[in-house]
Amino acid sequence: DAKTTQPTSMDCAEGRAANLPCNHSTISGNEYVYWYRQIHSQGPQYIIHGLKNNETNEMASLIITEDRKSSTLILPHATLRDTAVYYCIVRVGGMAGGTSYGKLTFGQGTILTVHP
Amino acid sequence: NAGVTQTPKFRVLKTGQSMTLLCAQDMNHEYMYWYRQDPGMGLRLIHYSVGEGTTAKGEVPDGYNVSRLKKQNFLLGLESAAPSQTSVYFCASSYPLAGGPTDTQYFGPGTRLTVL
Repeated sequence: DAKTTQPTSMDCAEGRAANLPCNHSTISGNEYVYWYRQIHSQGPQYIIHGLKNNETNEMASLIITEDRKSSTLILPHATLRDTAVYYCIVRVGGMAGGTSYGKLTFGQGTILTVHP
Repeated sequence: NAGVTQTPKFRVLKTGQSMTLLCAQDMNHEYMYWYRQDPGMGLRLIHYSVGEGTTAKGEVPDGYNVSRLKKQNFLLGLESAAPSQTSVYFCASSYPLAGGPTDTQYFGPGTRLTVL
């Protein structure tokens, strides 16, 4: 699985958009980009994932560059409850019954602090 | 749906004691995982299971055993606890989609284990 690079920490004002970058310059064509977050003392929470196209769900938007070497997670209106560690993970998508399994490699992530 | 639950939430052991951590999911997921998280570090995969009756080793399996006798339960055992196993343990589950990613994992709240 490709290695990812994220800033150690970021700050954001409440109500503003939080843009969290991730570099994955060695990503392969069949590797997906996943984002999870971990609020203090809780289990990680899935946010969003994508392969090539930009994706949006009720939590966030994922922008993947055309060369797929980097991506940005966007929280459109950050709240205090979005303060967490955000993990960008790149890995091959698995298939039911195949040899791949859902192993996630969690790096250090980005500590996002949302300020009032 | 309760999602993924873990029992117990907290436990203190003495070196050499044994214990079993229970993970249960009510989402009919095929895949289940055990991770550990040490202070300031990301999650590391201990063992995983791709279906009832099957288990496999992850990154850090030494000192742990697992069993998946029922689809909804995944047990993690410590036969002879050591201080190095002091950690927060997270269980997760996922459902493999044919031809697509398997990594939308749902995590439990964690078990905080201290070995003295």
